[in-house]
Formats: sequence, structure tokens, C-alpha cells
Amino acid sequence: EAEVAQSPRYKITEKSQAVAFWCDPISGHATLYWYRQILGQGPELLVQFQDESVVDDSQLPKDRFSAERLKGVDSTLKIQPAELGDSAMYLCASSLLGTGGGETQYFGPGTRLLVL
Amino acid sequence: DQQVKQNSPSLSVQEGRISILNCDYTNSMFDYFLWYKKYPAEGPTFLISISSIKDKNEDGRFTVFLNKSAKHLSLHIVPSQPGDSAVYFCAAPTDTSYGKLTFGQGTILTVHP
Repeated sequence: EAEVAQSPRYKITEKSQAVAFWCDPISGHATLYWYRQILGQGPELLVQFQDESVVDDSQLPKDRFSAERLKGVDSTLKIQPAELGDSAMYLCASSLLGTGGGETQYFGPGTRLLVL
Repeated sequence: DQQVKQNSPSLSVQEGRISILNCDYTNSMFDYFLWYKKYPAEGPTFLISISSIKDKNEDGRFTVFLNKSAKHLSLHIVPSQPGDSAVYFCAAPTDTSYGKLTFGQGTILTVHP
């Protein structure tokens, strides 16, 4: 069964350092999402790609976060510099078309980030 | 402004009994809802969905009910099993153009043997 791959699974860093997360969506999925989940809350969308284009980054803290999906396949999310409040689970998801109603998003295992 | 709300942070149920997880939403324009299940240190896994043209969708032990007039949906698990212990999130696409999902806060379900 096709899955969304993410790495690393866990990352511990000190504040002010740079971190990067990688995601490989299900093959053929045009839409890729990065979510952040803080403990006790539901996932919140950070950025959404349709192929290689960003279609929603309204909740992405652009002063420190960046995301790219250069060839419309895998994606990287970067934080520089990391802050204590960035400690969370970073989830990548993909869907076939990204058209909303009736379509399921499939999630990867996530990257647990701890900023010290 | 939380568009999707799960007001019960946790639920404890005996094995074999029914688990009922609730979710409320604010926007009557939402036309599709999903339930995800999440184990610790794993990503959410899709469980079941329902379109607003239906009021019930069933898949094995899982049934989702939708009450549009009350803007309320519920997930029923019958019979509950210890392996069902997880966090359950309801979600709705709040951007119909691109499928952005808005999630509730989640409900921790514990099923005791």
C-alpha cells in the first residue's frame, strides 16, 4: 500500500538552530500539505502545494519558515531559526487532486520536533 | 474562531460497549466531513467520511451520523475494542477550492479490557 514518507521521525535541536523536514507524498498525488500539530490540539495547515505551486501559506510564519516542492514531487519544510514554541509534530499529507469535498488526505508518520 | 469543535477531550469506555465521539461545526456550507484516528507518535489515519447529502455512513464497526440542522456529527464505534484506544479527530474541508482541512481538537478514547 502506498504511503507518505517523512524523515526524520524525531529531531531535537537547540533554539536558533536550523532544522529541515522532508516529505515524499504518495506517487501521483498532486497536492501536498504540511500541518503542525501541537499536543492537545488538532493539526493546523501551514502550507499547501498544488504540484510545485504554493496555493495556501497563510498560516506559515514566513519570517522563519520556508517550504518548497521544486519538482512537484517531494517537499522540504525548513525552520530557521528554531524557537522553543516550534516544538510540535510536523505532519505531511497528500491527496490526489486537492479539490476539497469528497477527497481524502493521507498522512505520513510525522516528525516530532523538540526545541531546547 | 474554531470552525470544527470537539468539546470532549477524553472518553473512557468498557470493551464491547459503544463509543460515541461528538463533533460540532459552525459553517452550514461545509459539505463533507472526515474522521481520523491517531496513535501516539504516528500520523493520523483516515477512518470514515460522510457527505452532507447523507445523514449516515457505516463501515464495519464504525458509523458516522450527521445532523445538519444541529451542525453536529458523531462517530459510533460498536463494539469498542482495546485497539480502538487512540485520539480521534473530526475534520472538514474549509477551503472548497483546494481542500484545506480544519480539524477539531481531538478526543482521546480509552477502551478498557
